[in-house]
Amino acid sequence: KNQVEQSPQSLIILEGKNCTLQCNYTVSPFSNLRWYKQDTGRGPVSLTIMTFSENTKSNGRYTATLDADTKQSSLHITASQLSDSASYICVVIPVFRAQKLVFGQGTRLTINP
Amino acid sequence: GAVVSQHPSWVICKSGTSVKIECRSLDFQATTMFWYRQFPKQSLMLMATSNEGSKATYEQGVEKDKFLINHASLTLSTLTVTSAHPEDSSFYICSARANRDPTYEQYFGPGTRLTVT
Repeated sequence: KNQVEQSPQSLIILEGKNCTLQCNYTVSPFSNLRWYKQDTGRGPVSLTIMTFSENTKSNGRYTATLDADTKQSSLHITASQLSDSASYICVVIPVFRAQKLVFGQGTRLTINP
Repeated sequence: GAVVSQHPSWVICKSGTSVKIECRSLDFQATTMFWYRQFPKQSLMLMATSNEGSKATYEQGVEKDKFLINHASLTLSTLTVTSAHPEDSSFYICSARANRDPTYEQYFGPGTRLTVT
């Protein structure tokens, strides 16, 4: 069983709408949790980084939340744009073996005009 | 800052030949670099950890004689796919960790699309 589970697998919304992507994890203990955006045929780009003690982190229209008690994180995208179409990957960095990132399977987001 | 480049961005080679992919950290030094492969609609899978001046550490199931890794300097790591086969066709992504970065942030390259015919 993957230690980082993301939902939904894919999502289609209209331009201008908001959406929320979910990440459940079992990695414990962890030092930080990150959300990455990966455009098709490109490498992942970091959106947000949260330590285990942080609850929320924003980066422009992207807002990530973290609930360490329930081991859940979410990424909220506001006023979506066509350029937001990409895969969004939740990554957890364990305290032990910190160099080995634990990746979720990603959510494929498509923004339609 | 923290830019990682890869070269080439895409390559097509014939079965049985070898291909080399370069990964460079452009504006920081990286003692440790990582090589991942990604199949369509799947997430990144770590292949190996590359340490400057020493042998790479390979993940279970990754053939070290097939995927040769050299990390000769603090800004360059190379991955050579030897005797490539069609099943090696994939998207290869490298990442680099800045020296002494306590957050263990990995900066990813743009990826290299390998197609073996």
